[in-house]
Amino acid sequence: DADVTQTPRNRITKTGKRIMLECSQTKGHDRMYWYRQDPGLGLRLIYYSFDVKDINKGEISDGYSVSRQAQAKFSLSLESAIPNQTALYFCATSDPGGAQPDTQYFGPGTRLTVL
Amino acid sequence: GESVGLHLPTLSVQEGDNSIINCAYSNSASDYFIWYKQESGKGPQFIIDIRSNMDKRQGQRVTVLLNKTVKHLSLQIAATQPGDSAVYFCAENSGGSNYKLTFGKGTLLTVNP
Repeated sequence: DADVTQTPRNRITKTGKRIMLECSQTKGHDRMYWYRQDPGLGLRLIYYSFDVKDINKGEISDGYSVSRQAQAKFSLSLESAIPNQTALYFCATSDPGGAQPDTQYFGPGTRLTVL
Repeated sequence: GESVGLHLPTLSVQEGDNSIINCAYSNSASDYFIWYKQESGKGPQFIIDIRSNMDKRQGQRVTVLLNKTVKHLSLQIAATQPGDSAVYFCAENSGGSNYKLTFGKGTLLTVNP
């Protein structure tokens, strides 16, 4: 969905490096999410934010941190990357006041490889 | 249909045939369900949704059926086309204003010309 963009699209890094993945949206949605996707597994929630002042841990938050800089921006950081954080990372948004309040809309993803 | 294993279930159909993709959901309190399509190298794309007060909903070439008795959801794609080739997965919302969607692992649909 072009309304949700992620940068970079691909990143290769080394163990121990700090990495930031960025997400921007033009949908005007209050809620934003970060997921990781591994082969053969479903999407797993890392962190989510209901508004600029709200940050919540998901089911697999260890080793990650987030920042909600504005309604439109939600970044994910790996403070010290490790190989098992190699995965596809997706940002998503939802609009609790909209016609489909529970539906989440996804960005194109970031493929991260940690060597 | 969906499974909890590491290998995605696969469905291979001929172009023009109808496809049925199944999903068993886990939470009897879930009141909202979504089907997503994920093409290779892209993010999941919303296809169709259904609330628990319905048992069928139709879109363009797609129909979702919900059987709450056995906690089963299916996606039917009519006249399947090569562009329908993708991974399809279901998601459930366990109720109310809960933010959380729980995602299935997906089924890989391959359409043969």
